[in-house]
Amino acid sequence: EVQLVQSGTEVKKPGESLKISCRGSGYTFTNHWIGWVRQMPGKGLEWMGIIYPGNSHTRYSPSFQGQVIFSVDKSSNTAYLQWSSLKASDTATYYCARQLTGASRSWWFDPWGQGTLVTVSS
Amino acid sequence: QSVLTQPPSASGTPGQRIIISCSGSNSNIGNNPVNWYQQLPGTAPKLLIYNNDQRPSGVPDRFSGSKSGTSASLAISGLRSEDEADYYCAAWDDSLNDQEVFGAGTKLTVL
Repeated sequence: EVQLVQSGTEVKKPGESLKISCRGSGYTFTNHWIGWVRQMPGKGLEWMGIIYPGNSHTRYSPSFQGQVIFSVDKSSNTAYLQWSSLKASDTATYYCARQLTGASRSWWFDPWGQGTLVTVSS
Repeated sequence: QSVLTQPPSASGTPGQRIIISCSGSNSNIGNNPVNWYQQLPGTAPKLLIYNNDQRPSGVPDRFSGSKSGTSASLAISGLRSEDEADYYCAAWDDSLNDQEVFGAGTKLTVL
């Protein structure tokens, strides 16, 4: 079974750093892009960007470029999302998802991780 | 403000057929395939329709997708109480930002 399992809930203070994880299993991790999606409380989904585990190539949404860093550890089939200095506005649930690709610029996310809730509060 | 426009809410009674719309532009829906995701309360999103009208294995054929020009639609027939969820459309946007964009979501209530 293809699965993405994310790390647990985090409660942090403004200015702190954080790295959350997303571990893939049941497929060849290095062959598919991993995407990150933010969902702020009571709001919709926002595409943050994607990373290709095979070579760590990244593509960030302009809204998140410079605010977060994507990385991977191929030896443990794990993708990471990190912040160097959290803000209260980073409070959200963060999802990772595997990106599948079809023909003619067709791609979609499946499956999704269960989500990691990040709360940033003083 | 989302690039893709969805109605914030929709409702129907069990057994009914409902349609959720998703309106975009030439830089997204008009030029790229549309995907739909279902998010049940308190859970992660799940792929419902990909590449405009394709259903992943395990998704009932009560769910169908279509696209015409710069708009897409998700139809749910034989509505069930367990279909009560948020539904999001998504497509790649080729404009200056060049990224995946989601609709703001439609909350479906089964009366």
